Amino acid sequence: DTAVSQTPKYLVTQMGNDKSIKCEQNLGHDTMYWYKQDSKKFLKIMFSYNNKELIINETVPNRFSPKSPDKAHLNLHINSLELGDSAVYFCASSQEGLYNEQFFGPGTRLTVL
Amino acid sequence: AQKITQTQPGMFVQEKEAVTLDCTYDTSDPSYGLFWYKQPSSGEMIFLIYQGSYDQQNATEGRYSLNFQKARKSANLVISASQLGDSAMYFCAMREGLGNQFYFGTGTSLTVIP
Repeated sequence: DTAVSQTPKYLVTQMGNDKSIKCEQNLGHDTMYWYKQDSKKFLKIMFSYNNKELIINETVPNRFSPKSPDKAHLNLHINSLELGDSAVYFCASSQEGLYNEQFFGPGTRLTVL
Repeated sequence: AQKITQTQPGMFVQEKEAVTLDCTYDTSDPSYGLFWYKQPSSGEMIFLIYQGSYDQQNATEGRYSLNFQKARKSANLVISASQLGDSAMYFCAMREGLGNQFYFGTGTSLTVIP
């Protein structure tokens, strides 16, 4: 009964490839997020969807495209992978309301060779 | 300006001692929430404790407590009786008003020494 799940947990791929990371939450939350955590552990917000609608779109290359087929899923597709895309990507979800924390997925460690 | 500032990149504490991890925040919204997360070496993000801007008392959760000083805009995490398993990265975060965005600090790496 995992709250926020991500697949795959590890992803090793060559430069130039296209890859996707899937995220699902079973908490009934309205908002989902994608974060990138680099080697220095900085957590950077990339995107956020509220009820399938994009609400946060930080400055990320347009090679990154989020897709939310429904409220419980937010997938991340990355085109033309580059070495600098190597990082841990976290999916998270939260309910609306100031006092509601984010629930994080286990992370996907992406390595681009 | 940074919304959340954590000025201690690394901290060391002796086992069984208490330690304070600093967090200051910047907002003009009177309504906000402050969160602390723990990230052990295994990588998962674990929610620890929450403090609301209108809360009159400091939040506590087991060995974790939050030293909330509203006028100073600080929300320091206090871990009492440190254990070896407390060694991890700790992130402070804020959520403002009706917004859905969470602002994270750069984190503090805590090492508990036996």
